Amino acid sequence: DVKVTQSSRYLVKRTGEKVFLECVQDMDHENMFWYRQDPGLGLRLIYFSYDVKMKEKGDIPEGYSVSREKKERFSLILESASTNQTSMYLCASSPGAGGFAFGNTIYFGEGSWLTVV
Amino acid sequence: AQSVTQLDSQVPVFEEAPVELRCNYSSSVSVYLFWYVQYPNQGLQLLLKYLSGSTLVKGINGFEAEFNKSQTSFHLRKPSVHISDTAEYFCAVRSGYSTLTFGKGTMLLVSP
Repeated sequence: DVKVTQSSRYLVKRTGEKVFLECVQDMDHENMFWYRQDPGLGLRLIYFSYDVKMKEKGDIPEGYSVSREKKERFSLILESASTNQTSMYLCASSPGAGGFAFGNTIYFGEGSWLTVV
Repeated sequence: AQSVTQLDSQVPVFEEAPVELRCNYSSSVSVYLFWYVQYPNQGLQLLLKYLSGSTLVKGINGFEAEFNKSQTSFHLRKPSVHISDTAEYFCAVRSGYSTLTFGKGTMLLVSP
């Protein structure tokens, strides 16, 4: 079974803190994604990566950055957390070299609930 | 550009009744369509997907969906739901070299 593991399920951080959300996948997938999920808004793509050290902006990249130093690990960074970044963050991965193998399934982690106070 | 509309934010239904969750998409090119399910406090899990071929797609847990190109729809159905089907369901579309675009979700509430 594909496993996407998000290191923290629940976090509480203060406004202005730098926050790291870590994600590891064990299936040697080329593509990794970070989504944000909010009630009534569905899932929105923050950043994705189709190779080590490569990253692309998604629909809502403002206030976030990412790092992919190793194929299996994709980190989401909130440089200076704000209360409007309180949300559920979902990491995902999928196989397919060279970008997006169109029909390939995306596999999700269990999510990280972040509260910024 | 591609987009997905899930017409119902919430669908209440009694156990053992049939259910249909509606999804419409827009895209100017050929599409790949997906339904994901999210159980409480969990990530998303793939239910089924349409890539090509037969327009009726069968998935896990007794769900199926029908791709209708003329109606640009991909509605999800189950003939008899269980309490354990209570979850949020997301329709998603991908076309060309784009990433996956999700709908806003439909909460299925199954009561005894």
